[in-house]
Amino acid sequence: TQLLEQSPQFLSIQEGENLTVYCNSSSVFSSLQWYRQEPGEGPVLLVTVVTGGEVKKLKRLTFQFGDARKDSSLHITAAQPGDTGLYLCAGEANAGGTSYGKLTFGQGTILTVHP
Amino acid sequence: DTEVTQTPKHLVMGMTNKKSLKCEQHMGHRAMYWYKQKAKKPPELMFVYSYEKLSINESVPSRFSPECPNSSLLNLHLHALQPEDSALYLCASSQVLAGAYNEQFFGPGTRLTVL
Repeated sequence: TQLLEQSPQFLSIQEGENLTVYCNSSSVFSSLQWYRQEPGEGPVLLVTVVTGGEVKKLKRLTFQFGDARKDSSLHITAAQPGDTGLYLCAGEANAGGTSYGKLTFGQGTILTVHP
Repeated sequence: DTEVTQTPKHLVMGMTNKKSLKCEQHMGHRAMYWYKQKAKKPPELMFVYSYEKLSINESVPSRFSPECPNSSLLNLHLHALQPEDSALYLCASSQVLAGAYNEQFFGPGTRLTVL
């Protein structure tokens, strides 16, 4: 059974601060997705990382995939109240197969950014 | 069109009622999913359809009955539910392409309350 350990579980910070969320596993993933979910809504796909060592930037968000493709991080610079939400990492283990099937989700990080 | 739609947005039902949840996507995706999500937890996979055929059933109780009438539509029929089935039910879709990655696009969900 593959597991994704996501930390921290809760994060409460002031506007303007920086933060990092981590997802770690002992398993190799062929791709890893990051989602953001607001209360009462569905998760929204932020990014997919697929290559070991890959770094992707989305405005103030920076995503990294570990060299061994077992871990990933999400860094937010100068957090804003609009960044508040549940952040989920999800990994796909099916290397070289088709693009559908079960994702392994982390437990989520609930981020609150106070004005 | 990059949207997954779900109806209804909210549903309240008694334990003896029969109701259905509906999901629609027009992205040409041939994999569709049902998830159950409790508050502040990651989504839990229930069913996966690929090319309108059920490919994964995560040992879901028979009071949940999925149906995929065509490549754009996914239904979840509910009967004799229990109060503990109250949750946010999410639909998602993804491509089915060799070599692609499991990027799932979620709908906004149906908030179900069982009385």
